[in-house]
Amino acid sequence: DAGVIQSPRHEVTEMGQEVTLRCKLISGHNSLFWYRQTMMRGLELLIYFNNNVPIDDSGMPEDRFSAKMPNASFSTLKIQPSEPRDSAVYFCASRPPTGGGSNEQFFGPGTRLTVL
Amino acid sequence: GDSVTQMEGPVTLSEEAFLTINCTYTATGYPSLFWYVQYPGEGLQLLLKATKADDKGSNKGFEATYRKETTSFHLEKGSVQVSDSAVYFCALRWRGNKLVFGAGTILRVKS
Repeated sequence: DAGVIQSPRHEVTEMGQEVTLRCKLISGHNSLFWYRQTMMRGLELLIYFNNNVPIDDSGMPEDRFSAKMPNASFSTLKIQPSEPRDSAVYFCASRPPTGGGSNEQFFGPGTRLTVL
Repeated sequence: GDSVTQMEGPVTLSEEAFLTINCTYTATGYPSLFWYVQYPGEGLQLLLKATKADDKGSNKGFEATYRKETTSFHLEKGSVQVSDSAVYFCALRWRGNKLVFGAGTILRVKS
């Protein structure tokens, strides 16, 4: 089975540019989580969706960040305009429907973003 | 709010040494507790979990016991290998779907 797929794996961009990170959920999963990992702040939850609906976006740092789920299997995280302090590794994770027993979140390999 | 505190790293051990990584939590109720592992260049993987007091999670030789009285979930392994070198995250889930992670502990095992 394919795991969570993220693209690109690495992104280098210049300050002010728009960045779009992509995530494909595991088939059959219905919850999607976006995390950011930095040395200073560790692993932070940015936003999560359940059945395509954003449930909690309190971790989104500011209006420059936006996330969408255009369909049940795909999500994007957009930063516009990007700033050097956005440099981090961004992970998405998917989870199967609750009640099935596991409740485990399955993480993708991450996108390493560098904003110059 | 809910939080997780892990011992600071890095932890450096020789192969076959005994490992303990301390984890304590603060939560208003009885959360589920997890250990995740992150190998270099990869995402996090669930290592083990426990959902109620006195439960012991175990996997790949690692163990952790949910201690309600000390609000702890320490990770242990009797004999570490070089391949165990990674970052280990303790986490809790309570009142919903969100995981709250500790800061992570780097483990380095030398041959």
